[in-house]
Amino acid sequence: NAGVTQTPKFQVLKTGQSMTLQCAQDMNHNSMYWYRQDPGMGLRLIYYSASEGTTDKGEVPNGYNVSRLNKREFSLRLESAAPSQTSVYFCASSRHRDRDYEQYFGPGTRLTVT
Amino acid sequence: GQQVMQIPQYQHVQEGEDFTTYCNSSTTLSNIQWYKQRPGGHPVFLIQLVKSGEVKKQKRLTFQFGEAKKNSSLHITATQTTDVGTYFCAGQDTGNQFYFGTGTSLTVIP
Repeated sequence: NAGVTQTPKFQVLKTGQSMTLQCAQDMNHNSMYWYRQDPGMGLRLIYYSASEGTTDKGEVPNGYNVSRLNKREFSLRLESAAPSQTSVYFCASSRHRDRDYEQYFGPGTRLTVT
Repeated sequence: GQQVMQIPQYQHVQEGEDFTTYCNSSTTLSNIQWYKQRPGGHPVFLIQLVKSGEVKKQKRLTFQFGEAKKNSSLHITATQTTDVGTYFCAGQDTGNQFYFGTGTSLTVIP
């Protein structure tokens, strides 16, 4: 039972390059989330998926796209990376049923865009 | 838009002193959660509060949810060095979105 896994752990991109961050959970959770964390700004929601087959924008969706591939997997894509997207990215999942909203976070991906 | 403000941003305490961090939302929340993040780590869930005026305790930690469901606090009694980290509140609106506070970084001086 690995919980929430993310790949890669670290990545350096040049401006304009694209990449996909992968996330998977093995807890049969319904909801999945992508956050970015910048110093002094807490965590900000990029996109979320309330259930398989649905995705919605969060607080800071510009420059990102997501895919809920199946119940287990939720990927985040940067089509044309910019230095402002340098951040730590966390994926999370939650059961989100019966008042159980606890979020389980992955270990994070540290992305630098030069 | 929705905002969750958290104060203080930093707190240094002597080991054994108490510590409190506060969260305030601009709108009514359906529930609020608290997380702890150690340096270099990921947020780890501590607790969830759902009811107006709710108070929950976990050993030395006391969590409160305001009557109007717009504010919350976390109080640690007699801090220990193991309490070091950043504490975040996360408020959920009536949909599925969570809004995290900016966090309070706690340093405990032995």
